[in-house]
Amino acid sequence: AAGVIQSPRHLIKEKRETATLKCYPIPRHDTVYWYQQGPGQDPQFLISFYEKMQSDKGSIPDRFSAQQFSDYHSELNMSSLELGDSALYFCASSPRGEKKNTEAFFGQGTRLTVV
Amino acid sequence: AQKITQTQPGMFVQEKEAVTLDCTYDTSDQSYGLFWYKQPSSGEMIFLIYQGSYDEQNATEGRYSLNFQKARKSANLVISASQLGDSAMYFCAMREENRDDKIIFGKGTRLHILP
Repeated sequence: AAGVIQSPRHLIKEKRETATLKCYPIPRHDTVYWYQQGPGQDPQFLISFYEKMQSDKGSIPDRFSAQQFSDYHSELNMSSLELGDSALYFCASSPRGEKKNTEAFFGQGTRLTVV
Repeated sequence: AQKITQTQPGMFVQEKEAVTLDCTYDTSDQSYGLFWYKQPSSGEMIFLIYQGSYDEQNATEGRYSLNFQKARKSANLVISASQLGDSAMYFCAMREENRDDKIIFGKGTRLHILP
């Protein structure tokens, strides 16, 4: 079965650089979530999209932005990277309708290291 | 206030024994969903089981079952016949349907299965 695809899997950037993370949700899933997980931490919600519109916003820095495209894939853009941005970034996807609350699958994550 | 509470930071269990991982939650919503995820050392977030607030029966998925006690706001994960491969971090999470869509995670329980 198709899963949530994230790319790249690993990314190394220098301070003040920019990074773009990509997420391809499960087919027919129209809601995408982004999470940040620091070392030894639980995942923290950043932002979500439903039908290409932002549906919820969490503790996402102003240096970060995201969008969902017409094919439902999403991109998280991170600028002016800081050492503290080093983390595992997850994308998750979920359907709406009857199955809305029953499925929420995560990608394998992108491990971002800022040096 | 913490929405999801996992009181066991770490657990050590002998192989083949059953394991119960505790989770309590806090919500005033009537409609919500509860999730359990497994995160091995490789980092991916693996969906294990889901319980809806209106589901009258406890959810089961293979060796995983969810002991749902709605009045106590408790959603413990039970793993039967534990295996060495069950060693991982386990997260309990909740999504409140009438609020924003984000999934909120607990702090996790690190489970160690001993041979």
